[in-house]
Amino acid sequence: SQKIEQNSEALNIQEGKTATLTCNYTNYSPAYLQWYRQDPGRGPVFLLLIRENEKEKRKERLKVTFDTTLKQSLFHITASQPADSATYLCALEQGSGNTGKLIFGQGTTLQVKP
Amino acid sequence: GAVVSQHPSWVICKSGTSVKIECRSLDFQATTMFWYRQFPKQSLMLMATSNEGSKATYEQGVEKDKFLINHASLTLSTLTVTSAHPEDSSFYICSAIIVGSPLHFGNGTRLTVT
Repeated sequence: SQKIEQNSEALNIQEGKTATLTCNYTNYSPAYLQWYRQDPGRGPVFLLLIRENEKEKRKERLKVTFDTTLKQSLFHITASQPADSATYLCALEQGSGNTGKLIFGQGTTLQVKP
Repeated sequence: GAVVSQHPSWVICKSGTSVKIECRSLDFQATTMFWYRQFPKQSLMLMATSNEGSKATYEQGVEKDKFLINHASLTLSTLTVTSAHPEDSSFYICSAIIVGSPLHFGNGTRLTVT
């Protein structure tokens, strides 16, 4: 079955450093992968989408890579700030055909310390 | 930008009662909405796809008679948890799809069944 794995352990880093989060998937050949941010008690907020033919995508301090051979995506936050503290979720579309139905990883909680 | 509003944000009910959760798209029409459930420290699990004007489609293992979904208009989908039990206590999140855009999520409803 399709499976997405993120490091369930919290990631603690110092302000100003680069945070790197990992998303691995199995039994998938996704056309794209998405990253969301979720704050406690809130719904996820979309951050970035990367397509299978894109190796890397950037948005301000965020960078996402997508390696379809390794079946892995890396999510980087450079010059991290305490306000970046949140849970970050990766998501892939369930099935095929642009249904909009997403399967999420369990998320990695990032804590940026001042 | 597109906004999805969910109401109530939290609800406490007694075991055996029913609870209705509303999901509205505020500035766009959504023919398709999705309902997710999230238990503490776990990922979002897709429960069902809500289709305007037709029956919802449920994911495997989700009881359609327990989780009633009504998508009567292009801007409103409702989820009714019938005969709620303590194990139904969870965080319920809806999302709406705009063709060509990532999902937009509501802020979730925290349901506690006592």
